[in-house]
Amino acid sequence: EIVLTQSPGTLSLSPGERATLSCRASQSVSSRYLAWYQQKRGQAPRLLIYSTSSRATGIPDRFSGSGSGTDFTLTISRLEPEDFAVYYCQQFGNSPPYSFGQGTNLEIK
Amino acid sequence: QVHLVQSGAEVKKPGASVNVSCKASGYTFTAYYIHWWRQAPGQSLEWMGWIDPNTGGTRYAQNFQGRVTMTRDTSISTVYMELTRLRSDDTAVYYCARGPNSGSFDYWGPGTLVTISS
Repeated sequence: EIVLTQSPGTLSLSPGERATLSCRASQSVSSRYLAWYQQKRGQAPRLLIYSTSSRATGIPDRFSGSGSGTDFTLTISRLEPEDFAVYYCQQFGNSPPYSFGQGTNLEIK
Repeated sequence: QVHLVQSGAEVKKPGASVNVSCKASGYTFTAYYIHWWRQAPGQSLEWMGWIDPNTGGTRYAQNFQGRVTMTRDTSISTVYMELTRLRSDDTAVYYCARGPNSGSFDYWGPGTLVTISS
């Protein structure tokens, strides 16, 4: 079973700043099968990035993803007020169970 | 436009069963698996299993083996998730999601809150 560990747990930043979120896997994950989601309170997760670095439909280019193997990163280049939310990484390996990380809470400083 | 619409919130007693539905529209129902996830209050998401709407084939997470059943009705493009022998720690929001699409889940239902309370 692949465990995803996200850091930091909480990130406090101001609008306009750059956010860097980390996701570390307990074993290697194919770059094809690592995704990032945004979740706001009371809403379902929203797909941001798939296959490590591809933006989902309608996602602004201030969101970018990178990484390989066991270390992956989501970067938000300039934070907008609507970006403050919880962010999750997710893996889809060769066999279940599939998993999400525990999340990073991006809050307004 | 792709939509997944789920059934409404439920309150159940311990030991009871719950059935949550997920109706798909805007795409070919049989072309994508539907996965079920759940999210307990303040927690991350936990994978429960998937169903292939084309064949009816299923695979369940080990944590739910023997308690969960996923079915589908292709005539109305709807999948169902039944969870039995409910416990207080089954209180969660249950989501259906289409996928995988390049290993990710591109469309999600709005979630169904299931509360277990005596």
